[in-house]
Formats: sequence, structure tokens, C-alpha cells
Amino acid sequence: GAGVSQSPSNKVTEKGKDVELRCDPISGHTALYWYRQSLGQGLEFLIYFQGNSAPDKSGLPSDRFSAERTGGSVSTLTIQRTQQEDSAVYLCASSFPRGWVDTGELFFGEGSRLTVL
Amino acid sequence: KNEVEQSPQNLTAQEGEFITINCSYSVGISALHWLQQHPGGGIVSLFMLSSGKKKHGRLIATINIQEKHSSLHITASHPRDSAVYICAVGLYSGGYQKVTFGTGTKLQVIP
Repeated sequence: GAGVSQSPSNKVTEKGKDVELRCDPISGHTALYWYRQSLGQGLEFLIYFQGNSAPDKSGLPSDRFSAERTGGSVSTLTIQRTQQEDSAVYLCASSFPRGWVDTGELFFGEGSRLTVL
Repeated sequence: KNEVEQSPQNLTAQEGEFITINCSYSVGISALHWLQQHPGGGIVSLFMLSSGKKKHGRLIATINIQEKHSSLHITASHPRDSAVYICAVGLYSGGYQKVTFGTGTKLQVIP
């Protein structure tokens, strides 16, 4: 596809279960970001991948959160032992390496809405 | 206090009205971004500013670096402009841009 693809679009899970959220960035985009948008809150940075460099994980809220990016393309965000406060929309975005700096363009997916019961 | 403050939080306008959304920030930045989020969640980048003014169609964005303030204007507003408008500030550091987002301004334009 032409845009950033995220799956699932909606996920309802029970507290304590693990969930995996997937992001397929635009082909050729080496920069990939994960953000979280909680109700009434601004977007919160979670993690940043750039090519083969070590990711910036400084935004991950706890060690229950992890993310990987295989082959420099698809990324998976994993939340272990989910809690109710993890309920949010998880957004993935991608760009060329300096996309946001040079062109101001960052391409977002439609997000994965996670509800933890 | 949030690093990025937007006002108003909610705005209802009649079709055709001139609309202004404000953004103030308290940190040093490399660039300021305006984004649009439609119902359903899709987010689109509208502008990136580091100085002055930019115009795209009916949208105009301005920034005053000294006052740490930016405005987004919509001329001749239309119901399809109804969306959440998000201000974000970026600081280029460590090889990429770390961005802080405002909480958004929800705009509803009534026919």
C-alpha cells in the first residue's frame, strides 16, 4: 500500500494479557516512530527507529513495553501484562531519515485502538 | 505546565468564519509543526515552520520565535475543516527530531 499500515485497527483485551501491534511503514522510509494518544492527552512519544541504529526507547513507559523492527521495515510494539491505563490509540509514523526536519513531512498510520478491560 | 499549550481547546464556528488557533511553547525548538487529525484518527502534516509565515490554500500559519508563539488561521471555514488541530514543537538532537505535542484544538464548523 501507499501509506503507513497498522494492525489491528481495534483490539479489546483483558487485563494481564499480552498484545502485539503491527506497523508497516511506507516503503523506503527508514525512520519509524511509535506514539500513544490517550483520551484527552497529546501524543506521547514511545520509541524511534532509524535504519540500523540502536532505537531510542526513552519514551517507553515501563518494561512491559517493547518494540522491534525487523529488516528495517515492519515494526511490532508489544505490551505485556496489559493494564487498564494502557488503553489508548497507538500511532505509528514513518518518514525519510530527516523527513521531519527537512520537509516537515511525517506520515501517520490510522492507529491501533487498544482497550484493556 | 505543559511545554506546548494550545488555545482554545474547543472551537465552534459558522461556515465562512475566519478561525484562529493559537500555540505557545516554553522550550527551544528547531521547528514547529501543525497537524490535522480527522475523526477516525488519521493525522496529516499541514505545516512546518521555523520562522515567518506559510500559506497553503485557505490555511495560514505564522510563528514568532522571540515570543514562542504560533497561530494557525483558516479563512472562509468549511464543515470539512472540522478536525482536531495539533501543534507540535521539534528539537533536532542526537540525529533526529524529538517532538512534543500539544493536546490539540477541536474545531467544529457548522453549515
